[in-house]
Amino acid sequence: GAVVSQHPSRVICKSGTSVKIECRSLDFQATTMFWYRQFPKQSLMLMATSNEGSKATYEQGVEKDKFLINHASLTLSTLTVTSAHPEDSSFYICSARGLAGGLEQYFGPGTRLTVT
Amino acid sequence: QKEVEQNSGPLSVPEGAIASLNCTYSDRGSQSFFWYRQYSGKSPELIMSIYSNGDKEDGRFTAQLNKASQYVSLLIRDSQPSDSATYLCAVNPPDDYKLSFGAGTTVTVRA
Repeated sequence: GAVVSQHPSRVICKSGTSVKIECRSLDFQATTMFWYRQFPKQSLMLMATSNEGSKATYEQGVEKDKFLINHASLTLSTLTVTSAHPEDSSFYICSARGLAGGLEQYFGPGTRLTVT
Repeated sequence: QKEVEQNSGPLSVPEGAIASLNCTYSDRGSQSFFWYRQYSGKSPELIMSIYSNGDKEDGRFTAQLNKASQYVSLLIRDSQPSDSATYLCAVNPPDDYKLSFGAGTTVTVRA
């Protein structure tokens, strides 16, 4: 149980384009989904928290107009990186917390974004 | 002071030995504690959760929690090369659904 998928697993895009990443909870309903970014050899950095049907809450320093988050249902959240630049190249990972009320977060496999 | 601190590592242990990982946290009201394993280039995987003082065992893993000392640890018994990874300690502060992560301890198990 507690499987989270992400799509795509890897994406290469040109500078200035937008990229959408999907995060799905496959076998449970997720009240809350989280988006993280991780640069090589560095810790996880929480970007934003999204709750189904409401606006995402962004961490300090994360541009909400650049990283658009939509949490349309209890099983799907999307992150769109708009007007991507090479410095946005990173490993983007989502996680989900279930309806059961536990505080465990289950992580998706991650999306490796390379902006050329 | 960081919210969650882990021993810096890297930690190198021979195959079959016990790997001991430590984590301290700053918010005394924290109630939920987790250990994640992250292989290089992969996302974190939840391996243990602990909520009460004492020990919790799951296979070769034992988590230990001491809320009075604000300390949580992870023991890996009979370490295998496949245990070589970075281990992240995560704490849920009170009144918050987010997790605070430590920087991680990298473990290498020598065959």
